[in-house]
Amino acid sequence: EVQLLESGGGLVQPGGSLRLSCAASGFTFSDYEMNWVRQAPGKGLEWVSYISGTSTMIYYADSVKGRFTISRDNAKNSLFLVMNSLRAEDTALYYCARGGSNYNFDFWGQGALVTVSS
Amino acid sequence: DIQLTQSPSTLSASVGDRVAITCRASQSISTWLAWYQQKPGKAPKLLIYRTSTLESGVPSRFSGSGSGTEFTLTISSLQPDDFATYYCQQYSDLWTFGQGTKVDIK
Repeated sequence: EVQLLESGGGLVQPGGSLRLSCAASGFTFSDYEMNWVRQAPGKGLEWVSYISGTSTMIYYADSVKGRFTISRDNAKNSLFLVMNSLRAEDTALYYCARGGSNYNFDFWGQGALVTVSS
Repeated sequence: DIQLTQSPSTLSASVGDRVAITCRASQSISTWLAWYQQKPGKAPKLLIYRTSTLESGVPSRFSGSGSGTEFTLTISSLQPDDFATYYCQQYSDLWTFGQGTKVDIK
């Protein structure tokens, strides 16, 4: 059974940093592209970042480019998101999502809540 | 950037109704469109990809159609489990989601 489990969320002050992790199981992690998607409270979904299976291709949404860094450790079946210079508008539930065979997102974790507030 | 606009934003319907949600793209995305269902407090679930292909396990009352800039998600006979928020997503140029359509009980 495919499982994705996010961790590392919490309360951080504006300008601060946070590192999210996503532990994957139930599939061959290195064979799959991975993504981070966020959802602000009561709002819609926003794609944040993408990483290919071998980490050779990485993309970011304009809203986080230069502040967030995606990475993965295939030996540990883990995905990461380092978030720097956090702003109030980064407050959201952050989901990791597996890239499906057709560039869609076929499995999602339950999310990690990030709150940016003083 | 490609923008997606869903309509309506909210749809009130009854069990057994046929419902349709439209997703319009700001430029052609061919058939690179997916639909997701999200229930309160839960992660989104992939329903349809490549415009019209049902994800494994998704009931056949869901269907998708369209190409280019206009797409439709149709539920042929609304069931109690279908009351949720639906999002379209394009993956022609990176990824973008529509703003969502909430289907609630009439």
